[in-house]
Amino acid sequence: EVQLLESGGGLLQPGGSLRLSCAASGFTFNNYGMNWVRQAPGKGLEWVSGISGSGGSTYYADSVKGRFTISRDNSKNTLYLQMNSLRAEDTAVYYCAKDLAPIGRYGMDVWGQGTTVTVSS
Amino acid sequence: SYVLTQPPSVSVAPGQTARITCEGNNIESKSVHWYQQKPGQAPVLVVYDDSDRPSGIPERFSGSNSGNTATLTISRVEAGDEADYYCQVWGGSSDHWVFGGGTKLTVL
Repeated sequence: EVQLLESGGGLLQPGGSLRLSCAASGFTFNNYGMNWVRQAPGKGLEWVSGISGSGGSTYYADSVKGRFTISRDNSKNTLYLQMNSLRAEDTAVYYCAKDLAPIGRYGMDVWGQGTTVTVSS
Repeated sequence: SYVLTQPPSVSVAPGQTARITCEGNNIESKSVHWYQQKPGQAPVLVVYDDSDRPSGIPERFSGSNSGNTATLTISRVEAGDEADYYCQVWGGSSDHWVFGGGTKLTVL
């Protein structure tokens, strides 16, 4: 069964740092691009960051560029999101999501259950 | 950056057809994907590449894309289709995924 399991969320103060992890199973991890998508309370979906299967290409939303870093360890089938200089507006459920296809932009077919990040003083 | 506009809400009676639109500049030149999200759950991809369905998605879900509007059509709507629906494209001149604001489908 294809599965993604996020971890690492929590409550922290503005300016703090946090690293999210997403453990993948059931598919050839290094063949697929991966993404982080977040959803603030009561709001819509916001794409945060993406990374190619090899890890050689990374992409960021303007709202997190320079503060967040996406990476992956293909030997561990794990995706990461390092979040620094956190702000209240980063409060959200963070989902990791798998690209549907190894090549091309065909959406995201597998999602984790999400991990909650709350930034508050 | 590229903007996708969806109606905040759509209402439909059971058994009828629901159409949810997603507007964007020359969106027909892009590949549009649709997600369903029920309360407290992760999104589910229901249509990709304008009109294809992932395995396990009922044929009642279909999509189209023309001009400046992409449309998700749900035929023979059931109570279980009540959810938020989001469109998505790989957008514009920047290497970004873009989501629409979402549409809440209410089954009357």
